[in-house]
Amino acid sequence: QQQVKQSPQSLIVQKGGIPIINCAYENTAFDYFPWYQQFPGKGPALLIAIRPDVSEKKEGRFTISFNKSAKQFSLHIMDSQPGDSATYFCAASSDYKLSFGAGTTVTVRA
Amino acid sequence: GAGVSQSPSNKVTEKGKDVELRCDPISGHTALYWYRQSLGQGLEFLIYFQGNSAPDKSGLPSDRFSAERTGGSVSTLTIQRTQQEDSAVYLCASRPSRGAGNTIYFGEGSWLTVV
Repeated sequence: QQQVKQSPQSLIVQKGGIPIINCAYENTAFDYFPWYQQFPGKGPALLIAIRPDVSEKKEGRFTISFNKSAKQFSLHIMDSQPGDSATYFCAASSDYKLSFGAGTTVTVRA
Repeated sequence: GAGVSQSPSNKVTEKGKDVELRCDPISGHTALYWYRQSLGQGLEFLIYFQGNSAPDKSGLPSDRFSAERTGGSVSTLTIQRTQQEDSAVYLCASRPSRGAGNTIYFGEGSWLTVV
């Protein structure tokens, strides 16, 4: 049973476009929501994270929007570049355990 | 070390053989995790260590899978009598301590192929 549902499975945008990845959860005990970026042949690396008391967080071109009442959060990649092409995973954590979404493969075309 | 180190990076084994995958976490990290990632799939939790004990083994898929951690540091994931469905990338991760908000740092994984 997947605790974090992620969509879409894949998406393709042109350079400069804004890919948006959505995640939803049910467990209200989750209190930390990170996003990981994974390039082929590499392990996932933390990109940006948010806590539920904040509705939005920006780091560079990456923005997380968080809707606590809807139990949804999303990642926006502003002014996307070909180098952003990777698989992105949302996750949710309570205590020690991190539950991951299924991942979204983002392709940014030049 | 500077990051989570895993070995071997690639392993091809024959069906029915046993394999051992090693993880060397970031120095001082008390929490250690094993995840499995099948081709094009998400990250499947296998086991969590806090120090040398494993309070959560709920993700181990069968009794052919086991893991241990010694000295609060290095961990070994053992798969006995490997099957083709065990082919995947096995990712190890560590973090400084138990609790929300601590970043989990992943190694680059051990790519296991069972033929």
